[in-house]
Amino acid sequence: AIQMTQSPSSLSASVGDRVTITCRASQGIRNDIGWYQQRPGKAPKLLIYATSSLQGGVPSRFSGSGSDTDFTLTISSLQPEDSATYFCLEDYGYPLTFGGGTKVEIK
Amino acid sequence: EVQLVESGGGLVQPGGSLRLSCAASGFTFSDHFMDWVRQAPGKGLEWVGRIRKKPNNYTTEYAASLKGRFTISRDDSNNSVFLQMNSVKTEDTAVYYCARVWSDSSGRDALNLWGQGTMVTVSS
Repeated sequence: AIQMTQSPSSLSASVGDRVTITCRASQGIRNDIGWYQQRPGKAPKLLIYATSSLQGGVPSRFSGSGSDTDFTLTISSLQPEDSATYFCLEDYGYPLTFGGGTKVEIK
Repeated sequence: EVQLVESGGGLVQPGGSLRLSCAASGFTFSDHFMDWVRQAPGKGLEWVGRIRKKPNNYTTEYAASLKGRFTISRDDSNNSVFLQMNSVKTEDTAVYYCARVWSDSSGRDALNLWGQGTMVTVSS
Protein backbone atom coordinates (compact mmCIF):
# COMPACT_ATOMS: atom_id res chain seq x y z
CA ALA A 1 0.00 0.00 0.00
CA ILE A 2 1.05 3.58 -0.65
CA GLN A 3 2.14 5.54 2.40
CA MET A 4 1.28 9.23 2.66
CA THR A 5 3.53 11.30 4.91
CA GLN A 6 1.91 14.59 5.81
CA SER A 7 3.72 17.49 7.45
CA PRO A 8 3.68 19.33 9.69
CA SER A 9 1.38 17.52 12.11
CA SER A 10 0.35 20.87 13.53
CA LEU A 11 1.01 24.55 13.01
CA SER A 12 0.01 27.87 14.50
CA ALA A 13 -0.24 30.94 12.30
CA SER A 14 -1.75 34.39 12.34
CA VAL A 15 -4.67 35.67 10.35
CA GLY A 16 -3.39 36.74 6.96
CA ASP A 17 -0.41 34.38 6.97
CA ARG A 18 0.40 32.09 4.09
CA VAL A 19 0.21 28.45 5.22
CA THR A 20 1.65 25.44 3.43
CA ILE A 21 0.95 21.78 4.16
CA THR A 22 2.70 18.97 2.34
CA CYS A 23 2.06 15.31 1.59
CA ARG A 24 4.69 12.97 0.26
CA ALA A 25 3.71 9.67 -1.32
CA SER A 26 5.86 6.55 -1.01
CA GLN A 27 5.57 6.08 -4.77
CA GLY A 28 4.40 8.12 -7.73
CA ILE A 29 0.67 8.78 -7.73
CA ARG A 30 0.40 10.98 -10.85
CA ASN A 31 -1.94 13.76 -9.72
CA ASP A 32 -4.38 11.51 -7.85
CA ILE A 33 -4.60 13.38 -4.57
CA GLY A 34 -7.23 15.43 -2.81
CA TRP A 35 -7.30 17.64 0.24
CA TYR A 36 -9.98 17.68 2.91
CA GLN A 37 -10.79 20.03 5.80
CA GLN A 38 -12.27 18.72 9.01
CA ARG A 39 -13.53 20.99 11.74
CA PRO A 40 -13.94 19.55 15.26
CA GLY A 41 -16.93 17.25 15.54
CA LYS A 42 -17.76 17.57 11.86
CA ALA A 43 -17.40 15.42 8.77
CA PRO A 44 -14.53 16.08 6.38
CA LYS A 45 -15.14 18.49 3.51
CA LEU A 46 -13.54 18.30 0.08
CA LEU A 47 -11.39 21.32 -0.77
CA ILE A 48 -9.15 20.26 -3.67
CA TYR A 49 -9.21 17.23 -5.99
CA ALA A 50 -6.82 15.96 -8.64
CA THR A 51 -3.95 17.91 -7.05
CA SER A 52 -5.10 21.40 -7.99
CA SER A 53 -8.80 21.52 -8.91
CA LEU A 54 -10.81 23.63 -6.51
CA GLN A 55 -14.09 22.12 -5.42
CA GLY A 56 -17.08 24.37 -6.10
CA GLY A 57 -17.83 26.80 -3.29
CA VAL A 58 -14.37 26.58 -1.74
CA PRO A 59 -12.66 29.95 -1.29
CA SER A 60 -9.94 30.76 -3.78
CA ARG A 61 -7.38 31.27 -1.01
CA PHE A 62 -7.06 27.47 -1.02
CA SER A 63 -4.87 26.00 -3.72
CA GLY A 64 -3.07 22.76 -4.44
CA SER A 65 0.02 21.88 -6.39
CA GLY A 66 2.54 19.12 -6.97
CA SER A 67 3.11 16.00 -8.99
CA ASP A 68 4.36 12.42 -8.75
CA THR A 69 5.23 12.11 -5.03
CA ASP A 70 5.22 15.62 -3.56
CA PHE A 71 2.09 17.67 -3.08
CA THR A 72 1.17 20.90 -1.34
CA LEU A 73 -1.96 22.55 0.00
CA THR A 74 -1.59 26.31 0.38
CA ILE A 75 -3.83 28.75 2.18
CA SER A 76 -2.78 32.11 0.78
CA SER A 77 -4.22 34.28 3.54
CA LEU A 78 -5.28 32.40 6.65
CA GLN A 79 -8.73 33.26 8.01
CA PRO A 80 -10.21 32.49 11.45
CA GLU A 81 -12.63 29.97 9.94
CA ASP A 82 -9.69 27.98 8.55
CA SER A 83 -8.92 26.64 12.01
CA ALA A 84 -9.31 22.91 11.36
CA THR A 85 -7.45 19.70 10.60
CA TYR A 86 -6.45 19.08 7.00
CA PHE A 87 -5.95 15.67 5.40
CA CYS A 88 -4.62 14.58 2.06
CA LEU A 89 -6.05 11.47 0.38
CA GLU A 90 -4.42 9.61 -2.49
CA ASP A 91 -6.73 7.72 -4.84
CA TYR A 92 -4.13 6.37 -7.24
CA GLY A 93 -5.03 2.76 -6.50
CA TYR A 94 -6.42 0.50 -3.82
CA PRO A 95 -6.39 0.80 -0.91
CA LEU A 96 -6.81 4.55 -0.73
CA THR A 97 -4.59 6.17 1.88
CA PHE A 98 -4.98 9.31 3.96
CA GLY A 99 -2.16 11.42 5.27
CA GLY A 100 -1.88 11.72 9.03
CA GLY A 101 -3.42 15.18 9.17
CA THR A 102 -2.29 18.72 9.96
CA LYS A 103 -3.99 20.67 12.72
CA VAL A 104 -4.04 24.38 11.91
CA GLU A 105 -4.51 26.77 14.79
CA ILE A 106 -4.93 30.53 14.70
CA LYS A 107 -2.56 32.53 16.90
CA GLU B 1 -31.59 18.23 0.16
CA VAL B 2 -28.49 16.39 -0.96
CA GLN B 3 -27.32 14.37 2.02
CA LEU B 4 -26.07 11.13 3.48
CA VAL B 5 -27.31 9.92 6.85
CA GLU B 6 -25.60 7.08 8.67
CA SER B 7 -27.24 4.93 11.32
CA GLY B 8 -26.72 1.69 13.17
CA GLY B 9 -23.80 2.59 15.39
CA GLY B 10 -23.66 1.71 19.05
CA LEU B 11 -21.98 -0.48 21.60
CA VAL B 12 -20.96 -3.98 20.55
CA GLN B 13 -18.90 -6.60 22.34
CA PRO B 14 -15.61 -7.84 20.95
CA GLY B 15 -16.27 -10.66 18.51
CA GLY B 16 -19.75 -9.40 17.78
CA SER B 17 -21.35 -8.02 14.63
CA LEU B 18 -22.91 -4.75 13.61
CA ARG B 19 -24.49 -3.46 10.43
CA LEU B 20 -24.22 0.20 9.58
CA SER B 21 -26.54 1.89 7.10
CA CYS B 22 -26.18 5.04 5.06
CA ALA B 23 -29.27 6.57 3.47
CA ALA B 24 -28.78 8.88 0.52
CA SER B 25 -31.16 11.54 -0.70
CA GLY B 26 -31.26 14.43 -3.14
CA PHE B 27 -29.16 12.84 -5.89
CA THR B 28 -29.13 9.80 -8.16
CA PHE B 29 -27.58 7.32 -5.78
CA SER B 30 -27.21 4.55 -8.35
CA ASP B 31 -24.85 6.72 -10.43
CA HIS B 32 -22.16 6.77 -7.74
CA PHE B 33 -19.54 4.58 -6.18
CA MET B 34 -19.78 4.81 -2.39
CA ASP B 35 -17.05 4.66 0.27
CA TRP B 36 -16.82 4.07 3.99
CA VAL B 37 -14.20 5.93 6.01
CA ARG B 38 -13.59 5.69 9.74
CA GLN B 39 -11.93 7.78 12.42
CA ALA B 40 -10.86 6.42 15.78
CA PRO B 41 -11.26 8.85 18.70
CA GLY B 42 -8.65 11.59 18.45
CA LYS B 43 -7.04 9.97 15.41
CA GLY B 44 -6.86 10.52 11.68
CA LEU B 45 -9.02 9.23 8.87
CA GLU B 46 -8.81 5.65 7.63
CA TRP B 47 -10.32 4.48 4.35
CA VAL B 48 -12.42 1.36 4.91
CA GLY B 49 -13.67 0.40 1.48
CA ARG B 50 -15.65 1.10 -1.68
CA ILE B 51 -18.55 -0.36 -3.59
CA ARG B 52 -18.93 0.38 -7.25
CA LYS B 53 -22.20 0.84 -9.13
CA LYS B 54 -24.27 -1.63 -11.15
CA PRO B 55 -22.42 -1.18 -14.50
CA ASN B 56 -19.29 -2.20 -12.57
CA ASN B 57 -21.08 -5.24 -11.13
CA TYR B 58 -21.21 -3.78 -7.63
CA THR B 59 -17.63 -4.87 -7.07
CA THR B 60 -15.90 -3.90 -3.85
CA GLU B 61 -12.49 -2.89 -2.54
CA TYR B 62 -11.32 -2.95 1.06
CA ALA B 63 -8.48 -1.84 3.26
CA ALA B 64 -6.18 -4.82 3.58
CA SER B 65 -6.41 -4.89 7.36
CA LEU B 66 -10.20 -5.23 7.23
CA LYS B 67 -10.67 -7.63 4.38
CA GLY B 68 -12.62 -10.69 5.42
CA ARG B 69 -14.28 -9.06 8.43
CA PHE B 70 -16.07 -6.12 6.82
CA THR B 71 -18.44 -6.30 3.86
CA ILE B 72 -19.94 -3.41 1.90
CA SER B 73 -23.22 -3.79 0.05
CA ARG B 74 -25.83 -1.49 -1.43
CA ASP B 75 -29.51 -1.34 -2.26
CA ASP B 76 -30.07 1.08 -5.10
CA SER B 77 -33.84 0.69 -4.86
CA ASN B 78 -33.67 2.19 -1.37
CA ASN B 79 -30.73 4.53 -1.98
CA SER B 80 -28.70 2.91 0.75
CA VAL B 81 -25.25 1.53 1.33
CA PHE B 82 -24.32 -0.80 4.16
CA LEU B 83 -21.25 -1.84 6.14
CA GLN B 84 -21.46 -5.27 7.74
CA MET B 85 -18.90 -5.53 10.51
CA ASN B 86 -18.12 -9.03 11.82
CA SER B 87 -15.70 -10.31 14.45
CA VAL B 88 -15.23 -6.75 15.66
CA LYS B 89 -12.22 -5.75 17.73
CA THR B 90 -11.65 -2.97 20.22
CA GLU B 91 -9.54 -1.22 17.57
CA ASP B 92 -12.64 -0.94 15.36
CA THR B 93 -13.97 1.69 17.76
CA ALA B 94 -14.46 4.77 15.60
CA VAL B 95 -16.84 7.16 13.93
CA TYR B 96 -17.84 5.62 10.62
CA TYR B 97 -18.61 7.91 7.70
CA CYS B 98 -20.12 7.06 4.35
CA ALA B 99 -19.03 9.23 1.45
CA ARG B 100 -20.08 9.69 -2.15
CA VAL B 101 -17.46 9.20 -4.84
CA TRP B 102 -17.82 11.94 -7.42
CA SER B 103 -16.15 12.10 -10.80
CA ASP B 104 -15.70 15.29 -12.78
CA SER B 105 -16.03 15.48 -16.57
CA SER B 106 -12.42 14.30 -16.91
CA GLY B 107 -12.97 11.24 -14.75
CA ARG B 108 -11.05 12.51 -11.76
CA ASP B 109 -12.46 11.23 -8.47
CA ALA B 110 -13.01 12.70 -5.03
CA LEU B 111 -15.21 12.18 -1.98
CA ASN B 112 -17.42 15.22 -2.30
CA LEU B 113 -20.31 14.38 0.01
CA TRP B 114 -20.03 12.95 3.51
CA GLY B 115 -22.52 11.89 6.12
CA GLN B 116 -22.37 13.09 9.71
CA GLY B 117 -20.97 9.78 10.91
CA THR B 118 -22.13 7.10 13.31
CA MET B 119 -20.15 6.07 16.38
CA VAL B 120 -19.24 2.44 16.93
CA THR B 121 -17.83 1.42 20.29
CA VAL B 122 -16.39 -2.05 20.71
CA SER B 123 -16.11 -2.90 24.38
CA SER B 124 -17.03 -5.61 26.86
